[in-house]
Amino acid sequence: DAKTTQPTSMDCAEGRAANLPCNHSTISGNEYVYWYRQIHSQGPQYIIHGLKNNETNEMASLIITEDRKSSTLILPHATLRDTAVYYCIVFLIQGAQKLVFGQGTRLTINP
Amino acid sequence: NAGVTQTPKFQVLKTGQSMTLQCAQDMNHNSMYWYRQDPGMGLRLIYYSASEGTTDKGEVPNGYNVSRLNKREFSLRLESAAPSQTSVYFCASSDGYSRLTETQYFGPGTRLLVL
Repeated sequence: DAKTTQPTSMDCAEGRAANLPCNHSTISGNEYVYWYRQIHSQGPQYIIHGLKNNETNEMASLIITEDRKSSTLILPHATLRDTAVYYCIVFLIQGAQKLVFGQGTRLTINP
Repeated sequence: NAGVTQTPKFQVLKTGQSMTLQCAQDMNHNSMYWYRQDPGMGLRLIYYSASEGTTDKGEVPNGYNVSRLNKREFSLRLESAAPSQTSVYFCASSDGYSRLTETQYFGPGTRLLVL
């Protein structure tokens, strides 16, 4: 079973920041938070991951709360091409991990 | 680099027929995975291979077999297809040894319809 809780759907206006929340209250100290997205039945695409500190890359920023029980993925300037299902996943990095995909959040970017 | 490639892209089978889904990666990754995704659902792990020569069951292995042919290739076989196996199948690969990051890279998927 997925160890995360995400809203089923969200809307965001094009050009605005999209903030996608994720609750992972049972996360253990050595589990990472990963975000993937899936655009219209394509294969999932890695976005970003983190352990304790906030992270930023060319696609997004990841904000993890101090108690690590929740996190927020931020797409700073959402475009129509960011419309996708976003998955928040927590798991241990050890050999071949087993990603457990929940239902994810269906993000719709509106013009 | 092509990344992860899958063949075929689409397949229609009759109940009881067999087929093999092919997957190859050119990233020199150690670990490879097979997932299925049913309509409106998240992905579920069928089998994975942590390294060449090893395979292990995932969440939903029943009705499937796999072969890690070499480091590049990981095939998924349906011996006797059933309508419940109608799904989109994704192959993925990852480095498998990095202690700092373990990103999985996914193929484009194979859409299978079993009548």
